[in-house]
Amino acid sequence: DTGVSQDPRHKITKRGQNVTFRCDPISEHNRLYWYRQTLGQGPEFLTYFQNEAQLEKSRLLSDRFSAERPKGSFSTLEIQRTEQGDSAMYLCAVGGHLNYEQYFGPGTRLTVT
Amino acid sequence: KNQVEQSPQSLIILEGKNCTLQCNYTVSPFSNLRWYKQDTGRGPVSLTIMTFSENTKSNGRYTATLDADTKQSSLHITASQLSDSASYICVVSALGNNMRFGAGTRLTVKP
Repeated sequence: DTGVSQDPRHKITKRGQNVTFRCDPISEHNRLYWYRQTLGQGPEFLTYFQNEAQLEKSRLLSDRFSAERPKGSFSTLEIQRTEQGDSAMYLCAVGGHLNYEQYFGPGTRLTVT
Repeated sequence: KNQVEQSPQSLIILEGKNCTLQCNYTVSPFSNLRWYKQDTGRGPVSLTIMTFSENTKSNGRYTATLDADTKQSSLHITASQLSDSASYICVVSALGNNMRFGAGTRLTVKP
C-alpha cells in the first residue's frame, strides 16, 4: 500500500463519452502527478500540481483532457469525447520532488470501445 | 529518441540466478536516478534513488549502480525469486525538471 488510491480501478467506456478519474493520497503531499502508460511502455508525464496550482502540462494533454486539484489534496482527471487512442493505464503519483520518494497509485485502466 | 534507454527489453531467467538490467540516459543536468519495480496491473514501486554523488545503493537483493560520467546505471538482482517477475523501470530527473521514464525491462523468473 503506497498510500495513494485511485478510483475506479477499471473503466470501460464507449467512444465519445466523458470519463473522470480520481486520485486520493492518504497523507499530504505538495506535488501530485498524472501519467499515462500504454502496454510495454514506461509512464508518460501528463501534468503535475504543486498544491492547488497546475504548474506543467505535457503536449500529450490535449484540449479534451482537464485535471484539477481544488483543495490541494485529491485530484481528478477528466477526458472528454474519449477516443480509442485514450485506452491506457492512468497513474497518479505524489512526492518525487528533488530526491524525495515518489509514490504511485494502483492506476485506472481505461478501455475505450 | 527517448532520453532514457533500457536494455534488454525483456529477459527470462531461472529462479535462483542473478541478472543485471541496464539503463543509459542523456538527461542533463542530472539530478537523480530511480529504479522502480512494476508488477502487472499495478503502479510502480520505488526500489532505489541515487544522486550524483552516489555510485551504488542496495535494497535487499537489489543493487543499483550509477556512473554519472558515462551516464549509465545498472540494477543487479541477486538470487532471483518468482516474485521478481515484473517490469523494472529506470527514471532520470534533470535539475528543475520532471522525471523521464524508460520503457522498462520485462523480467520473467521461471521455476
